[in-house]
Amino acid sequence: EPEVTQTPSHQVTQMGQEVILHCVPISNHLYFYWYRQILGQKVEFLVSFYNNEISEKSEIFDDQFSVERPDGSNFTLKIRSTKLEDSAMYFCASRQIGLAGGRNEQFFGPGTRLTVL
Amino acid sequence: AQSVTQPDIHITVSEGASLELRCNYSYGATPYLFWYVQSPGQGLQLLLKYFSGDTLVQGIKGFEAEFKRSQSSFNLRKPSVHWSDAAEYFCAVGARGGGSYIPTFGRGTSLIVHP
Repeated sequence: EPEVTQTPSHQVTQMGQEVILHCVPISNHLYFYWYRQILGQKVEFLVSFYNNEISEKSEIFDDQFSVERPDGSNFTLKIRSTKLEDSAMYFCASRQIGLAGGRNEQFFGPGTRLTVL
Repeated sequence: AQSVTQPDIHITVSEGASLELRCNYSYGATPYLFWYVQSPGQGLQLLLKYFSGDTLVQGIKGFEAEFKRSQSSFNLRKPSVHWSDAAEYFCAVGARGGGSYIPTFGRGTSLIVHP
């Protein structure tokens, strides 16, 4: 069964450093998402991406964050200058093009745990 | 804006016992509703969803959920819990309309299963 994959599974970085989190969405999906989950808190939406541009973003997704689809398979989240409060689990998700009913669900990857020291 | 409340942070049940995880939502119209499960080291897996039609929804792994509009609830149930069901469970609500819905998640309920 096709699945979303994410690398690395765990990333440790120093405050102020740049990190790039990698995701490979399911191959025939066209919508891509990033979410984060701070330990013990809700899963929060960051950004959605469609047709090579951001379609929606939350207030969390400020100028420190960027997303890119550098080739036909990868979808990345970059944090330019990490802060302590960026420590969280980051989930990537993908979805087929909007169809009614069962095709509308998002499929999630296993997450990357980011630890900022 | 929509919101989701999962009032129970932790639930402990014995293996073989029945289970009900509570979920209440706030949304101005009929929402899309989802339950996801997250096992340790795994991503979020969709258990079941409600879009329209029958308000009792069957999902994978023997789970079901019932949409009750009058109570703004979408509680998850399973008649007999297995030890492998121990995980984090998330209820989510998605707004209708548009091509790119964004589900809003609850805080999650951690299910502990005793042998």
